Amino acid sequence: SQKIEQNSEALNIQEGKTATLTCNYTNYSPAYLQWYRQDPGRGPVFLLLIRENEKEKRKERLKVTFDTTLKQSLFHITASQPADSATYLCALDTGGNNRLAFGKGNQVVVIP
Amino acid sequence: ETGVTQSPTHLIKTRGQQVTLRCSSQSGHNTVSWYQQALGQGPQFIFQYYREEENGRGNFPPRFSGLQFPNYSSELNVNALELDDSALYLCASSPPTGAKNIQYFGAGTRLSVL
Repeated sequence: SQKIEQNSEALNIQEGKTATLTCNYTNYSPAYLQWYRQDPGRGPVFLLLIRENEKEKRKERLKVTFDTTLKQSLFHITASQPADSATYLCALDTGGNNRLAFGKGNQVVVIP
Repeated sequence: ETGVTQSPTHLIKTRGQQVTLRCSSQSGHNTVSWYQQALGQGPQFIFQYYREEENGRGNFPPRFSGLQFPNYSSELNVNALELDDSALYLCASSPPTGAKNIQYFGAGTRLSVL
């Protein structure tokens, strides 16, 4: 069956350190993968998109990698700040037309 | 803010009732997708509308139906509500060109079924 797995345990990290989140998937062949941020009571907000032929993408303090052989994406927040505290969702393209399949999300708590 | 607005923000219904949720897409966005997000879970794709036609459906029963209007706004209707329908319902719009793979989400409608 198809699965998208993100760590269910919250990641507690000291301010200034790098937070690294993992997204593993099975039985999908996504043309692209996206990461979203979700704050409590709000809708997800798009952060980054990486295509299957790209290894790495960066945006300011964020970095995403995509390994289609391992079926895994890593999401990094460098120099983390308390304002980065949120739930981060991995989302896969399921074959076109923007139909996304989401993981459960991984909560990040940045401790001042 | 994404420019996608949903109404109402919160709603309480009883089992068996019907509900209509509304979404105004961001200006210029002609594709609207609806997602259901249960507590502690990621959003699950319900269906998508493009130019007023349903353009793909997830694993949801027929009592979940929708509409898209000429101005690209959309409605989600759920009949015969069940307790498990309690969730955050998210609407997302996408532009026709450029960043067409990106979904711009509204804040959602929190539905509680008692």
